[in-house]
Amino acid sequence: DAGVIQSPRHEVTEMGQEVTLRCKPISGHNSLFWYRQTMMRGLELLIYFNNNVPIDDSGMPEDRFSAKMPNASFSTLKIQPSEPRDSAVYFCASSKKGLAGGWHEQYFGPGTRLTVT
Amino acid sequence: LAKTTQPISMDSYEGQEVNITCSHNNIATNDYITWYQQFPSQGPRFIIQGYKTKVTNEVASLFIPADRKSSTLSLPRVSLSDTAVYYCLVDIYSSASKIIFGSGTRLSIRP
Repeated sequence: DAGVIQSPRHEVTEMGQEVTLRCKPISGHNSLFWYRQTMMRGLELLIYFNNNVPIDDSGMPEDRFSAKMPNASFSTLKIQPSEPRDSAVYFCASSKKGLAGGWHEQYFGPGTRLTVT
Repeated sequence: LAKTTQPISMDSYEGQEVNITCSHNNIATNDYITWYQQFPSQGPRFIIQGYKTKVTNEVASLFIPADRKSSTLSLPRVSLSDTAVYYCLVDIYSSASKIIFGSGTRLSIRP
């Protein structure tokens, strides 16, 4: 298996532009997570999906951020309009949610380094 | 929400055993304890997960006392390549759960 795939690996954009980050989870995993990592705030969970349905988006910083999962093999995180404070590394992770409710280990992608100037 | 507390940093030498302790006083009955490792410019990587007592795999051991209010990750005979940030998580079981990574422990291994 190729693991979790994220694209692009690097993105540089100007303030006000729309940014779309993409993620392909591991086949067979039913949960998908989007994280953001910065030096100041560490690794933050933004949103997670279970069976393609958003379950908890309380970590999404504001309305400029949106995430979708149209099918089990693809998810996007969109920022519109982007701001310099959105500069961070964005990770996507996938996992299997157990029958008892908890998750098995999460597998992280390589991340997308976003720079907004 | 269950919150974890772990040392900000630790230093050790090659060949030594390293123990990193994490406190999680508010852990709930159904919560599991999971440890991740993160190298610079990479996503976190799963190390080990446990519920109680002791769990061992090819990489590490996890010790959890009976009250489950803390856990200790044990890395046997560390090498320079074990230099990384280690995160302790409590996997929260609820429909409105939120996974909190915390600040992690920055482990530095010296020759």
